[in-house]
Amino acid sequence: KAGVTQTPRYLIKTRGQQVTLSCSPISGHRSVSWYQQTPGQGLQFLFEYFSETQRNKGNFPGRFSGRQFSNSRSEMNVSTLELGDSALYLCASKPLAGDNEQFFGPGTRLTVL
Amino acid sequence: AQSVTQPDIHITVSEGASLELRCNYSYGATPYLFWYVQSPGQGLQLLLKYFSGDTLVQGIKGFEAEFKRSQSSFNLRKPSVHWSDAAEYFCAVGVVGGGNKLTFGTGTQLKVEL
Repeated sequence: KAGVTQTPRYLIKTRGQQVTLSCSPISGHRSVSWYQQTPGQGLQFLFEYFSETQRNKGNFPGRFSGRQFSNSRSEMNVSTLELGDSALYLCASKPLAGDNEQFFGPGTRLTVL
Repeated sequence: AQSVTQPDIHITVSEGASLELRCNYSYGATPYLFWYVQSPGQGLQLLLKYFSGDTLVQGIKGFEAEFKRSQSSFNLRKPSVHWSDAAEYFCAVGVVGGGNKLTFGTGTQLKVEL
């Protein structure tokens, strides 16, 4: 079974632009979460989707948004990019919304110039 | 709100030596606890997890961790470290009813000397 896939793997943008990152969960997984990883702030939870509904949201500005499609694939969007948005963005999927582990993808490395 | 502390930013051990990485959490009830490992340029791989039951948890790659409620700790151990274990290790806590949200510690970078 294929793991969580994230595209693109690397991305370079300039300040003020917007970006969309994509995450395809493991087949059969319906729950998707996003995390931001930076050297200064570490790993921080962005949001979580289950059955196309946002179930939980971290403490990030409204420039960060996401959505989930009927096939469980998810996208996150960052508008009006800032230098501080440079980070590794990790997606994780889980079979159901219950008590089990999340499986992480390799991440998308976003660099904002 | 829950929090996780990994007091050791860097640890260096010799290959074949034992390893213990410390993790302390703050949460009012019994949390879900996890240890993840991250190699450079990679995502996170789950080593082991604690949800309930036996407080000594066995994981992959020969790792184990023990949940100690009285100390609010979930330390990761390995009896004999291999050079391939060099990576960054993250402890994380999830809470009942918190969905998928995990709160991570700041990580411990493990270096293995040959």
